[in-house]
Amino acid sequence: NAGVTQTPKFQVLKTGQSMTLQCAQDMNHNSMYWYRQDPGMGLRLIYYSASEGTTDKGEVPNGYNVSRLNKREFSLRLESAAPSQTSVYFCASSESSGDKTPLHFGNGTRLTVT
Amino acid sequence: GNSVTQMEGPVTLSEEAFLTINCTYTATGYPSLFWYVQYPGEGLQLLLKATKADDKGSNKGFEATYRKETTSFHLEKGSVQVSDSAVYFCALISGGSNYKLTFGKGTLLTVNP
Repeated sequence: NAGVTQTPKFQVLKTGQSMTLQCAQDMNHNSMYWYRQDPGMGLRLIYYSASEGTTDKGEVPNGYNVSRLNKREFSLRLESAAPSQTSVYFCASSESSGDKTPLHFGNGTRLTVT
Repeated sequence: GNSVTQMEGPVTLSEEAFLTINCTYTATGYPSLFWYVQYPGEGLQLLLKATKADDKGSNKGFEATYRKETTSFHLEKGSVQVSDSAVYFCALISGGSNYKLTFGKGTLLTVNP
């Protein structure tokens, strides 16, 4: 029962470096999401993919890009990391984008940008 | 816009104590309301939900009632356990789509033996 798998679990970057966070789900879900979690801020949506082949911006997309590689995989890329992107990143998926299907979350990637 | 306000934490209780975590919301239309739980080192899990006024969501001994007149969705449990220690998030969707999910800031609960 893997569910939603995120890699890596931890990452430290220097300002200006790039990296890609990977996410894969094995539940045959259509919709996938990337969130960031900051202390005292709750979770904020970065990007989402309602279905394979589509991606859209969420609340805080600046500095990020995404790729829905196939139905299973949804990656998040930081082209030029900044200290403000230090956060815990969560990938989630749901059967559809409708609110009757709950989100399933991965265990997160803790990213530090120095 | 939509917003969710939760009581500030952290909350520290002894085992078997009664738990209430307050949640109020502002939203257009008729939102669906949720409580998510995040155990240490893990992602969020859906705990319970309610989709219309006066609905009661329940799971694992937790309950919350959708109160439209007070725009509230308070989380309660009659007798907490050490294993309930976690961060609890109240959330809403207004507009019928998961990508419109709005979270509160979270409340850390610690239960001591």
